[in-house]
Amino acid sequence: AQKVTQAQTEISVVEKEDVTLDCVYETRDTTYYLFWYKQPPSGELVFLIRRNSFDEQNEISGRYSWNFQKSTSSFNFTITASQVVDSAVYFCALRMSGYALNFGKGTSLLVTP
Amino acid sequence: DAGITQSPRHKVTETGTPVTLRCHQTENHRYMYWYRQDPGHGLRLIHYSYGVKDTDKGEVSDGYSVSRSKTEDFLLTLESATSSQTSVYFCAISDLQSYNEQFFGPGTRLTVL
Repeated sequence: AQKVTQAQTEISVVEKEDVTLDCVYETRDTTYYLFWYKQPPSGELVFLIRRNSFDEQNEISGRYSWNFQKSTSSFNFTITASQVVDSAVYFCALRMSGYALNFGKGTSLLVTP
Repeated sequence: DAGITQSPRHKVTETGTPVTLRCHQTENHRYMYWYRQDPGHGLRLIHYSYGVKDTDKGEVSDGYSVSRSKTEDFLLTLESATSSQTSVYFCAISDLQSYNEQFFGPGTRLTVL
């Protein structure tokens, strides 16, 4: 079975704090793809990153970074120096057979000034 | 931004009536998906299509049917709407060339009274 767990339902931080969103996945596939999406209050879903199972390099994009660890089946997302505009729901997802995505339930991040 | 539109964007209907939601893409992507988003559940796959007239069921397909008669359009039909189908519906598209990154439409908010 394929499953994505985002144990943190809601996180609240003060602006400029660093915050890490956790994602744990389960899959029996040896090749798989993981994704992060952002859903701001306006409601659209914005693609952030894709990671292949055979590429364990961490990735940094501006204030965003992702830590992929196959040993712990985790794909965590860190926002450095958070800003109010980072307030959103963040979803981690695992690609299923047929190419659809299996989403976690999301983590709601609130960044206050 | 990927060219994906959904119509209608908002709809209120009564229990027992049929409802059809439309997803239209201009990207010529092969794969199309319908998800529903509910509080506490994240996004769940309803149906998906891997080509014209090729569709398959997702996790929560009961009470829904789909059709894809041409590449650009993917229709989701609620045959007899129920209050449990009140939700936000998202269409998504993907293609192998984009490593299955899914791009989402703006969503349709459906309320069944």
